[in-house]
Amino acid sequence: GQNIDQPTEMTATEGAIVQINCTYQTSGFNGLFWYQQHAGEAPTFLSYNVLDGLEEKGRFSSFLSRSKGYSYLLLKELQMKDSASYLCAVRADSSASKIIFGSGTRLSIRP
Amino acid sequence: DTAVSQTPKYLVTQMGNDKSIKCEQNLGHDTMYWYKQDSKKFLKIMFSYNNKELIINETVPNRFSPKSPDKAHLNLHINSLELGDSAVYFCASSQGRGQLSYGYTFGSGTRLTVV
Repeated sequence: GQNIDQPTEMTATEGAIVQINCTYQTSGFNGLFWYQQHAGEAPTFLSYNVLDGLEEKGRFSSFLSRSKGYSYLLLKELQMKDSASYLCAVRADSSASKIIFGSGTRLSIRP
Repeated sequence: DTAVSQTPKYLVTQMGNDKSIKCEQNLGHDTMYWYKQDSKKFLKIMFSYNNKELIINETVPNRFSPKSPDKAHLNLHINSLELGDSAVYFCASSQGRGQLSYGYTFGSGTRLTVV
């Protein structure tokens, strides 16, 4: 089966750093994505990891360990606008284009 | 210019009715998808078309029927609507089936409420 786990909710303070973890168990692996979804809006692409290691993009970084089935999204210098759900998603099959999503982590930023 | 556009944005209808949701993308992508997001915010794939060919068909009731007249359009028709069909339906597109380093581009969603 396919399983992607991430915490349901997290709270952090403006200006701080937060790490959102994701573990996955899938029949195959061909890339991991992080998406941001504000309430009532569409998910938007944040990052993609297919090899082990850290990918940095501005205030956001994403890490992958394929041997551990583990990823995290690191958000630095948090801003109020970062309050959103963060979805971890895995592409399990290289021959098709299906991406499987986790249920998302709702991040609340307090002043 | 909207990249992936869905209509309508909101849809309220009675049980037993038949309704359609339309999706169009102007990105030149060749693969399009329908996802359902339930009240727990869980996004689950329903269908995918590549160049008008059905490539993904998850376990979805056959009351749901996708139609792709061309690679820029993927519509979703739902027959005999049930209360459990209430959800937000997202259309998405991507370029290619193997190269997905930029993931999907999602439409803004259609909030379907069945009463």
